[in-house]
Amino acid sequence: KAGVTQTPRYLIKTRGQQVTLSCSPISGHRSVSWYQQTPGQGLQFLFEYFSETQRNKGNFPGRFSGRQFSNSRSEMNVSTLELGDSALYLCASSLASSDYGYTFGSGTRLTVV
Amino acid sequence: SQQGEEDPQALSIQEGENATMNCSYKTSINNLQWYRQNSGRGLVHLILIRSNEREKHSGRLRVTLDTSKKSSSLLITASRAADTASYFCATGTGANNLFFGTGTRLTVIP
Repeated sequence: KAGVTQTPRYLIKTRGQQVTLSCSPISGHRSVSWYQQTPGQGLQFLFEYFSETQRNKGNFPGRFSGRQFSNSRSEMNVSTLELGDSALYLCASSLASSDYGYTFGSGTRLTVV
Repeated sequence: SQQGEEDPQALSIQEGENATMNCSYKTSINNLQWYRQNSGRGLVHLILIRSNEREKHSGRLRVTLDTSKKSSSLLITASRAADTASYFCATGTGANNLFFGTGTRLTVIP
């Protein structure tokens, strides 16, 4: 079966711009989570969605937002980009929760210049 | 921070040797999971061990969990060059998110 698909793979944006990243989970998976990975902070949890509802949110500013659609596909948006937002953004899907283990996408590499 | 710590940060071994990585965490958990990441790509789920389990095997992988010491170890036996990657432990607390460790960079020399 198809894995978790993230688009785009690479993105270069300018400070102050906004960006939208997309994630299509494995068919049948209803939980979608987003993580930010940087060399300095490691893997940090952004938010988790289940059946279009945000169930949990990490400690990130309000510039980071997300949503989930009825087909479980998810998007995350970052507004007013800062240089520190440069990171690998990873989407992970699961049957129902992280307690089942995640399947990760290949990530979106965002560079803010 | 609830983030786990992994030890060692980097490990270099010869092909065929065993590799052991350790993970310590701070809070009570429902489960602990291990993931592998190749060259900044997505993570691959290796194994999940629940808090009431002490040991689990999957192929060449062996994971132990000691909840009294809040620690876990991952053993990879008979390592191969293809095992070269970063390995992360992650703890699940039932809050619909995982807390990842800092990772161990494993290099297997052919």
